[in-house]
Amino acid sequence: AQSVTQLGSHVSVSEGALVLLRCNYSSSVPPYLFWYVQYPNQGLQLLLKYTSAATLVKGINGFEAEFKKSETSFHLTKPSAHMSDAAEYFCAITGNQFYFGTGTSLTVIP
Amino acid sequence: GAVVSQHPSWVICKSGTSVKIECRSLDFQATTMFWYRQFPKQSLMLMATSNEGSKATYEQGVEKDKFLINHASLTLSTLTVTSAHPEDSSFYICSARDSRTVGYEQYFGPGTRLTVT
Repeated sequence: AQSVTQLGSHVSVSEGALVLLRCNYSSSVPPYLFWYVQYPNQGLQLLLKYTSAATLVKGINGFEAEFKKSETSFHLTKPSAHMSDAAEYFCAITGNQFYFGTGTSLTVIP
Repeated sequence: GAVVSQHPSWVICKSGTSVKIECRSLDFQATTMFWYRQFPKQSLMLMATSNEGSKATYEQGVEKDKFLINHASLTLSTLTVTSAHPEDSSFYICSARDSRTVGYEQYFGPGTRLTVT
């Protein structure tokens, strides 16, 4: 069975500060991991994905994530938050189907 | 990149009527499509997996007679909410898998907001 757990349903950061959204996974096989962003009343937009190549994955909009097998983690980071980053973020793991985390709502304080 | 469209983007219907939502893969063939439901401030919940040319596989607790899924071609899957009730109001999102892609990535549609009055 596969699953992901997102720690922190709400995260607030100041504009220009580091963004860190946490995701831990559980998988009995090498996982494929994803981060998606969702803006209000919109679908999901892929930020980045890990598919067993480089452990440090760079995505769109300045986001990146590092796959750490020893910690079973795939945390999402961005060095400097922008107001436009305010959204809902979902971590996901895939096998035969996608398993989504419960989501983290990011608020950026001006 | 791969694009998935949904139609309509939003729909309002009266209680007791049926509503059909279309999901199309625009530039790739999708042998498998997925339908999700999302309640406000919550994550996506998989409703069913739709395979082209065969019956859909529904997740536990999802009424297959209420949520009819048809995947008649490699680029189109439809979800029909039959005899809709206010509790069916939700955001429905489809996704399509391009099995040629490493990691079995799914491409998501923009979603359909259903409001049942």
